[in-house]
Amino acid sequence: AIRMTQSPSSLSASTGDRVTITCRASQGISSYLAWYQQKPGKAPKLLIYAASTLQSGVPSRFSGSGSGTDFTLTISCLQSEDFATYYCQQYYSYPPWTFGQGTKVEIK
Amino acid sequence: QVQLVESGGGVVQPGGSLRLSCAASGFTFSSYGMHWVRQAPGKGLEWVAFIRYDGSNKYYADSVKGRFTISRDNSKNTLYLQMNSLRAEDTAVYYCAKHAAGTGPGAFDIWGQGTMVTVSS
Repeated sequence: AIRMTQSPSSLSASTGDRVTITCRASQGISSYLAWYQQKPGKAPKLLIYAASTLQSGVPSRFSGSGSGTDFTLTISCLQSEDFATYYCQQYYSYPPWTFGQGTKVEIK
Repeated sequence: QVQLVESGGGVVQPGGSLRLSCAASGFTFSSYGMHWVRQAPGKGLEWVAFIRYDGSNKYYADSVKGRFTISRDNSKNTLYLQMNSLRAEDTAVYYCAKHAAGTGPGAFDIWGQGTMVTVSS
């Protein structure tokens, strides 16, 4: 199974900050990578697929980049509603579909 | 609107069984593969099972293989997860999720609100 490793596991940031989260795959996954946002007590929400394509309705302050084994999720100007946990997921080689361990974005 | 609604969670003793349901609406259910994903308390997301749009292919995580069965009834727009021989480590919120692509690689673009399963004596 492909292992997905996110860094950092958590971070503290202020509203208006630029935030970057990294995801590394244990082997090449081309651009078959998705990012999800999950708020406490809620279901995950798809933000980005194909490494850099924004899901419909997702604000443009979110962006994704990368291919192969290294990927990043960037929030250009952090808003209060962006404090959440973010997961990356590979869908290149399955089963199993695998997720990163999550990155919790907290208020500084 | 596009919606997935899970039901069937609850408290069950170790070794017991439970069947989860996921009712779909707002899209052509019979055209898409479907997944179950779970999240243990305070933990990350774990993929559990997948079924192809027509039910012809099913895949399972090693952690549930031989104990869980995924199925679907396209006439009722409903996905199921039959869980047998439940263990304490199966305690989690269980989400159903829609495969974004009709066939082939895809992310999980629609998620239900989740249903809690607690395995405890």
